[in-house]
Amino acid sequence: DAGITQSPRHKVTETGTPVTLRCHQTENHRYMYWYRQDPGHGLRLIHYSYGVKDTDKGEVSDGYSVSRSKTEDFLLTLESATSSQTSVYFCAITSGPADSYTFGSGTRLTVV
Amino acid sequence: AQSVTQLGSHVSVSEGALVLLRCNYSSSVPPYLFWYVQYPNQGLQLLLKYTSAATLVKGINGFEAEFKKSETSFHLTKPSAHMSDAAEYFCAVKNYGGSQGNLIFGKGTKLSVKP
Repeated sequence: DAGITQSPRHKVTETGTPVTLRCHQTENHRYMYWYRQDPGHGLRLIHYSYGVKDTDKGEVSDGYSVSRSKTEDFLLTLESATSSQTSVYFCAITSGPADSYTFGSGTRLTVV
Repeated sequence: AQSVTQLGSHVSVSEGALVLLRCNYSSSVPPYLFWYVQYPNQGLQLLLKYTSAATLVKGINGFEAEFKKSETSFHLTKPSAHMSDAAEYFCAVKNYGGSQGNLIFGKGTKLSVKP
């Protein structure tokens, strides 16, 4: 299958705690994306990366930060988790802007 | 800026019936358009994509979509629904507006197939 994995697959955390989600790829793709999926909203872009140490904000970036120190890893951090960040988070990769995305299996995050 | 509207959050068809899922886009430049499918508790899987070649695009699992510039539409069809087609379907358009070509997704259409 496509070389993209997300960890953890499920997580429950408490309000106010920091949380880091990991996306790991073995495809050597330049572009990586973090989306969140919520009922009635589809997928919304949080942050994306177009290379090592090159990242930018998406549509719903407040309360999130990212880092990419290696091509293969793209980390999403919730600095202080809130209940509104309960969601399913998807990572995606692509080799270029004209290409389709390959998605990870998602991380279901619950903030209590 | 680009955007996508999917008409109908839920569509129900009988097994063997035509599947039609509607997608309209807004784009000031020739768009790249995609359809993805999501089965329960899984990630999204590419069904098909339009990148300005043939206007009728064939995808996996018997699905196809037709790009109609005059109607700004990219509707997804399948002649005969199968139980295994029950899933959520997302239409997406490439964003050229300075976001390195990220995808903008519609809100999704959940397809139910009745026996």
